[in-house]
Amino acid sequence: AQTVTQSQPEMSVQEAETVTLSCTYDTSESDYYLFWYKQPPSRQMILVIRQEAYKQQNATENRFSVNFQKAAKSFSLKISDSQLGDAAMYFCAYRSAAKTTNKLIFGTGTLLAVQP
Amino acid sequence: NAGVTQTPKFRILKIGQSMTLQCTQDMNHNYMYWYRQDPGMGLKLIYYSVGAGITDKGEVPNGYNVSRSTTEDFPLRLELAAPSQTSVYFCASSSDLGNQPQHFGDGTRLSIL
Repeated sequence: AQTVTQSQPEMSVQEAETVTLSCTYDTSESDYYLFWYKQPPSRQMILVIRQEAYKQQNATENRFSVNFQKAAKSFSLKISDSQLGDAAMYFCAYRSAAKTTNKLIFGTGTLLAVQP
Repeated sequence: NAGVTQTPKFRILKIGQSMTLQCTQDMNHNYMYWYRQDPGMGLKLIYYSVGAGITDKGEVPNGYNVSRSTTEDFPLRLELAAPSQTSVYFCASSSDLGNQPQHFGDGTRLSIL
């Protein structure tokens, strides 16, 4: 069974600085998708960024980018120019491309604090 | 665009009571999911559905039931509420395409006292 591990329960970053959140996963599959979701205090689950495993190029979305290392099964999220609104819980999630259910497997999350 | 709508947003139940958490989506998604999120934890899958009339168990199905009579609606039923079911419940939906993300509702905070 696949698992997702986020080893940093909490992180802190100064406003305008850069922070990297770690995520590792375990799978025997070669084709899958990886996601980062943001959950602010409002409790909404907001998609931040996604990565297809077959793509070598790292995904980027404005200030958010990933470092996808397929061989190492690592999928870290880099937030550049951190803003106060980035403060939230961040979840890494895995989805198999082989199965037809599109189920997500979540990590336990990293709580990011942004200091002014 | 309404997206995924969950009702109610908050609810307090007494032990042994029953209730239904409602979830509806207007994106014509075939796939729908129910998750629970315990404090400080990630989301765990309770039940899911790949289309009207088709449901299946996720990681933590005990104490819950679901039905999917239409594409739009996917209600979650708690038959005999227990304190262990105190949690935040999220409904989500997605299209059939594998690279498409799941869209989440705003969650229901449920307390069993």
